[in-house]
Amino acid sequence: DAKTTQPPSMDCAEGRAANLPCNHSTISGNEYVYWYRQIHSQGPQYIIHGLKNNETNEMASLIITEDRKSSTLILPHATLRDTAVYYCIVRAYYGQNFVFGPGTRLSVLP
Amino acid sequence: ETGVTQTPRHLVMGMTNKKSLKCEQHLGHNAMYWYKQSAKKPLELMFVYNFKEQTENNSVPSRFSPECPNSSHLFLHLHTLQPEDSALYLCASSQEIQGFQETQYFGPGTRLLVL
Repeated sequence: DAKTTQPPSMDCAEGRAANLPCNHSTISGNEYVYWYRQIHSQGPQYIIHGLKNNETNEMASLIITEDRKSSTLILPHATLRDTAVYYCIVRAYYGQNFVFGPGTRLSVLP
Repeated sequence: ETGVTQTPRHLVMGMTNKKSLKCEQHLGHNAMYWYKQSAKKPLELMFVYNFKEQTENNSVPSRFSPECPNSSHLFLHLHTLQPEDSALYLCASSQEIQGFQETQYFGPGTRLLVL
């Protein structure tokens, strides 16, 4: 079973920041937070991951709360091509596979 | 481009046919995976291969038969499938070092329709 809870859908205006929340209240100390996205009928695309510090790369920023029970993926300037299903996954590096839940369907509107 | 390719991208087959899906990774990884994604359902892990050895089979029916001849190639052999096996089949790869499994990278998938 997925260890995360995400809203089923969200809308965002093009050019604005998209903030996608994820709850993972039962996260363990050795578990990382991963984000993937899946554009319609394509394979999932890795976005970013982190343990406890905030992370940023060319695609997005990941903000993890101090108690690590929730996180937010931020797409700073959403474009129409960011319309996709976004998956938040919690997993340890050792001996755990990726378990995908239903994710959040983000629609970027013109 | 993720460095993981899959062929064919689309496949239509009858229930009595035999076909194979192919996956190739160009990332130097040593672990490969097959996932199934049915319509409006989350991804389901089917098989895991580490260093060419199958390490996980998530109760997949025997009509699906994986093969991993080397660490860069993964096949999924299909025979006597059912219409409910129609789905997007995804391949992924990652680097595993002494049980430490890094980020998985996915291919574009094969869209399979069983008639």
